[in-house]
Amino acid sequence: DVKVTQSSRYLVKRTGEKVFLECVQDMDHENMFWYRQDPGLGLRLIYFSYDVKMKEKGDIPEGYSVSREKKERFSLILESASTNQTSMYLCASSFTGHNEKLFFGSGTQLSVL
Amino acid sequence: DAKTTQPNSMESNEEEPVHLPCNHSTISGTDYIHWYRQLPSQGPEYVIHGLTSNVNNRMASLAIAEDRKSSTLILHRATLRDAAVYYCILPNTGANSKLTFGKGITLSVRP
Repeated sequence: DVKVTQSSRYLVKRTGEKVFLECVQDMDHENMFWYRQDPGLGLRLIYFSYDVKMKEKGDIPEGYSVSREKKERFSLILESASTNQTSMYLCASSFTGHNEKLFFGSGTQLSVL
Repeated sequence: DAKTTQPNSMESNEEEPVHLPCNHSTISGTDYIHWYRQLPSQGPEYVIHGLTSNVNNRMASLAIAEDRKSSTLILHRATLRDAAVYYCILPNTGANSKLTFGKGITLSVRP
């Protein structure tokens, strides 16, 4: 079975901490995505990457950065966590193409206190 | 990416068919229509996709309007396990392409 694995299901951090959310896929996908999901707002794209060391801003990149040093791993970094970054974070991956399916991880529920 | 619009929510009775609509009036000729669903406390999962013709699989059917400006996901007999958020998107996963989702339709199923 194809798999997108997010390192933590639940995470609690303090305001000002540096937070790393890790995502690993085993499908050799070129594209990887980070979304956040908040009640009533749907899925919002934070950053995406279409190749190793490449990254592009999504719709809400402020307060976040990303790293893609290896093809299978895409990390989301909160440089200084704030309470408004409390959210469900979802990672996804896909092949490059015009009609490729997305595969999602199970999500990380991050609480910033 | 071309935009899709969906109603916020729908309700259905168990074992009845459900028709979930999606409008995509700015769809281009090469855009595929994908549907995903998100069960509670899980990440979204792929349901079905199509280009022009209606499509069936074990999970659902997809009916695409002749002008391709709208589509309908059909669950033939809703079960309680079908209660989820359903997203309709027009994915372009080419290099350097954003892939955005809307809020989706929240489907409630009554026993």
